[in-house]
Amino acid sequence: DVVMTQSPLSLPVTLGQPASISCRSSQSLVSSDGNTYLNWFQQRPGQSPRRLIYRVSKRDSGVPDRFSGSGSGTDFTLKISRLEAEDVGVYYCMQATHWPPWTFGQGTKVEIK
Amino acid sequence: DVQVVESGGGLVQPGGSLRLSCAASGFTFSSYWMTWARQAPGKGLEWVANINQDGSEKYYVDSVKGRFTISRDNAKNSLYLQMNSLRAEDTAVYYCARGREFAYWGQGTLVTVSS
Repeated sequence: DVVMTQSPLSLPVTLGQPASISCRSSQSLVSSDGNTYLNWFQQRPGQSPRRLIYRVSKRDSGVPDRFSGSGSGTDFTLKISRLEAEDVGVYYCMQATHWPPWTFGQGTKVEIK
Repeated sequence: DVQVVESGGGLVQPGGSLRLSCAASGFTFSSYWMTWARQAPGKGLEWVANINQDGSEKYYVDSVKGRFTISRDNAKNSLYLQMNSLRAEDTAVYYCARGREFAYWGQGTLVTVSS
């Protein structure tokens, strides 16, 4: 099984400042079809998860452009360019290349400093 | 708009059974894989089961194999999860999601396994 490891697990950030979350996989997430199936999800307090980014860097519809994804192989990053209050929550990476199982990272809690 | 709405959760005793449902709308249900995922209280997300478009392929996390069964009814735009031999560690909010990349999620339904 592919193990997904996120860091940090807790991230206090000042409003208006950038935030960066790392996600590493135990093996390369490049698929035989050439795509890399690495997704990022946001879960605000009391809400269900929402996908923000798919295939490393593609933003889902309605996702603000302050969110960006990057990376390749086994090393990926979610960046928030300027933190807003509505961005508070837990962020998860997930791989959908080597399945089953589909596997998530442990989650990174983003809060206001 | 794409919507998936879960139902069927509740309180059940250890060893009991429960059937979850997920009603889909706003997209061509029969064209997509569908997924069940769960989140135990205060914990992270865990994939539970997937099913392909015509139900011929089904996959399960090891901890539920032999106890849970995923199924779908394309005529009713509905996804199901039959849960048998429930254990305390199955207590979680269960989410339905669209596709193998979990593009859209429902609001979840809470399953509590306790005596």
